[in-house]
Amino acid sequence: KAGVTQTPRYLIKTRGQQVTLSCSPISGHRSVSWYQQTPGQGLQFLFEYFSETQRNKGNFPGRFSGRQFSNSRSEMNVSTLELGDSALYLCASSWGTGGNQPQHFGDGTRLSIL
Amino acid sequence: GEDVEQSLFLSVREGDSSVINCTYTDSSSTYLYWYKQEPGAGLQLLTYIFSNMDMKQDQRLTVLLNKKDKHLSLRIADTQTGDSAIYFCAENRYGGSQGNLIFGKGTKLSVKP
Repeated sequence: KAGVTQTPRYLIKTRGQQVTLSCSPISGHRSVSWYQQTPGQGLQFLFEYFSETQRNKGNFPGRFSGRQFSNSRSEMNVSTLELGDSALYLCASSWGTGGNQPQHFGDGTRLSIL
Repeated sequence: GEDVEQSLFLSVREGDSSVINCTYTDSSSTYLYWYKQEPGAGLQLLTYIFSNMDMKQDQRLTVLLNKKDKHLSLRIADTQTGDSAIYFCAENRYGGSQGNLIFGKGTKLSVKP
């Protein structure tokens, strides 16, 4: 069974640009969560999608958005990039929502802002 | 407190046992998780324990749960250099701005040959 796949693995952008990251969950998983990981702040929750609906949202500005498609694949978008957006962005999938099923993570997208 | 807490560093010798400790916050959490992160990789689910259990063993891994003290530990027997990584504990919560899983800041395990 294939794991969670995130593309691309690495991205370099400049301030003011926008970026779209993609996540394909494990087959059969309907929940996708996104996290930002930085050395200073650790793992911070961005949002969760379940059956194409956003279920939870973290404390990030509106520049961060996401969506989920009918096949459970998810994308997140960051507009007007800032230097502080440099981070590892992790996607995790689980069969259901609510935290009582394990979340399985992809290897992340490393985003660098110049 | 509000945070899941872990010590930041642990150093052991190859062949010794490692014990990584975690204090969680919500007594109603039903599942507690341990994840491992190697450099340049995502988080790998190692094991998890349901809150009505005191202990779970899986090969070299033993998880102990003390619900009264909200304390969780991960013991790695016969620690190998390949176990060097950052280990995160996480508790589940239902929704909210922190999401369904609340993570500690991670414990960096260094294994010396």
